[in-house]
Amino acid sequence: AQSVTQPDIHITVSEGASLELRCNYSYGATPYLFWYVQSPGQGLQLLLKYFSGDTLVQGIKGFEAEFKRSQSSFNLRKPSVHWSDAAEYFCAVYTDKLIFGTGTRLQVFP
Amino acid sequence: GAGVSQSPRYKVAKRGQDVALRCDPISGHVSLFWYQQALGQGPEFLTYFQNEAQLDKSGLPSDRFFAERPEGSVSTLKIQRTQQEDSAVYLCASKKRGPSYNEQFFGPGTRLTVL
Repeated sequence: AQSVTQPDIHITVSEGASLELRCNYSYGATPYLFWYVQSPGQGLQLLLKYFSGDTLVQGIKGFEAEFKRSQSSFNLRKPSVHWSDAAEYFCAVYTDKLIFGTGTRLQVFP
Repeated sequence: GAGVSQSPRYKVAKRGQDVALRCDPISGHVSLFWYQQALGQGPEFLTYFQNEAQLDKSGLPSDRFFAERPEGSVSTLKIQRTQQEDSAVYLCASKKRGPSYNEQFFGPGTRLTVL
């Protein structure tokens, strides 16, 4: 069955530090992969998506993600975190529906 | 332009009560999705409409859950005889016509608490 694993439940970083959020998926075919961000009381906002082509994709708010088929991974990165990036981050794979991971909560210290 | 809106934003129900949650999608979006997000979990698919047709309801957890979109715009998710395990945030998303993997735009959700 298709699934998404986000191994880190909670990550804390200092403002200005680099960030990497891990995502592993299980899906037999070429995956369509997404990263969403959810701030408290708000809906999910799409950060970036991968369908095909270049395995390094750029998104909004300075985020990027790299698709690695050999590792079944789609990790999210940002070179310098801002306090406003504190939120819940969800990785998702599209099959015939969106399947989400359990999320990673990012806390940013000044 | 306006995004996806949901009402009410918060709902408290006593166990056994019926509730109705409303979703107003982005104008012109043909596809509409409902998700359930339990505390500390990612959203889980409930059901999907294309216009007024409910094409997939495989995620509805029981026959107490019912969704409709009679005119292909506004949608209502109804939960009958609510149980405590129904407590969750219910998210609605809409998508414009195009490839099935195109972006879904999410509303802010309705937080349902069943006492």
